[in-house]
Amino acid sequence: AQSVSQHNHHVILSEAASLELGCNYSYGGTVNLFWYVQYPGQHLQLLLKYFSGDPLVKGIKGFEAEFIKSKFSFNLRKPSVQWSDTAEYFCAVKGSARQLTFGSGTQLTVLP
Amino acid sequence: NAGVTQTPKFRVLKTGQSMTLLCAQDMNHEYMYWYRQDPGMGLRLIHYSVGEGTTAKGEVPDGYNVSRLKKQNFLLGLESAAPSQTSVYFCASSYAASSYNSPLHFGNGTRLTVT
Repeated sequence: AQSVSQHNHHVILSEAASLELGCNYSYGGTVNLFWYVQYPGQHLQLLLKYFSGDPLVKGIKGFEAEFIKSKFSFNLRKPSVQWSDTAEYFCAVKGSARQLTFGSGTQLTVLP
Repeated sequence: NAGVTQTPKFRVLKTGQSMTLLCAQDMNHEYMYWYRQDPGMGLRLIHYSVGEGTTAKGEVPDGYNVSRLKKQNFLLGLESAAPSQTSVYFCASSYAASSYNSPLHFGNGTRLTVT
């Protein structure tokens, strides 16, 4: 069975600080990996995705993520966060199953 | 283009009452999903459908039933609501299960409180 762990439940940063959110998955086969973002009061939106090829994936709003197969990780990064990045971030994995498995989410608060 | 529409947006039920949540998508997507979102637990899949007339259980199906009589609609039913079903419910749809160009599209959610 596939599973996802997000160890950081709440991250607080000041504007312009660098961000890295951890995501580890458990599945032995080929995986598709995703990061979704949920801004306050809104629905989830796709931030970026990895299916194959270059393990460094660039998404919207300056976010990127690196797939490290040997570490079963897909960490999300942003060099300089903004107040508007305050949101909850979800990592998700799709292995052999037809549906995504989501992590428990990381709440990011960016202080102005 | 409305995307994925959920009704109602809010609902308060008493224990034992029943209700149906409606999800409608206008993107001609084959796949539809119902998730519940609880603090600290992320999104957990309740039921999903891979096409009209088909449904399947997800991670937490107990206490819920679903139907997909029309391709564009996916209904989630609670026959006898319990306080443990207090949650935010999200519907999502996708064109295919694993296509690179087929991400999940989410609705705006239904906040359900069971007292």
